[in-house]
Amino acid sequence: DIQMTQSPSSLSASVGDRVTITCRASQSISNYLNWYQQKPGKAPKLLIYAASSLQSGVPSRFSGSGSGTDFTLTINTVQPEDFATYYCQQSDSTPQTFGQGTNLEIK
Amino acid sequence: QVQLQESGPGLVKASQTLSLTCTVSGGSISDSSYYWSWIRQPAGKALEWIGRIYTSGSTYYNPSLESRVAISIDTSKNQFSLRLSSVTAADTAVYYCARTRPQNWFDPWGQGTLVTVSS
Repeated sequence: DIQMTQSPSSLSASVGDRVTITCRASQSISNYLNWYQQKPGKAPKLLIYAASSLQSGVPSRFSGSGSGTDFTLTINTVQPEDFATYYCQQSDSTPQTFGQGTNLEIK
Repeated sequence: QVQLQESGPGLVKASQTLSLTCTVSGGSISDSSYYWSWIRQPAGKALEWIGRIYTSGSTYYNPSLESRVAISIDTSKNQFSLRLSSVTAADTAVYYCARTRPQNWFDPWGQGTLVTVSS
């Protein structure tokens, strides 16, 4: 299975900050990388697919980049509703696997 | 707008079979553009993909669970189902169903249902 490693595992930020979360795959996955946001007690929500494509309805302050093994999710001007846990997921090969999550907390 | 809703027992005894159903509304489960997946999340842990099914009934499972998993589809009811046999405490988790693109990203998801395996 392809292992997905996110860093950091937790992150403190203030409203208005720019935040970057990193995801590394254990082998090359081209651009088959997706990002999700999960709030406590809720289902994950798709933010970014195919590394850099913004899902419909997702604010443009979210962006994704990367290819191969290294990927980033960036949130420009963090808003109060953005404090949540973020997961990356590779969709290059079965089984699809997820990172362990990055918890974005309010500073 | 497509919505998914999981249903089934919240408590299952160890060694027995976990059974859950996902009901799809606002769209057809027979839509050839999508697969339909089950994903689970133990408390405080990462998400784990269990498997997926296509409208034709073809399935693909996580090899780590393949010997115990069966996913089926009922297009007449717009539902698909999960059966996980010989459960242990390690199978305690929130179980989600999700619509799946052929490129294997998941959107949308059901709200999730907690299944606890008791001894």
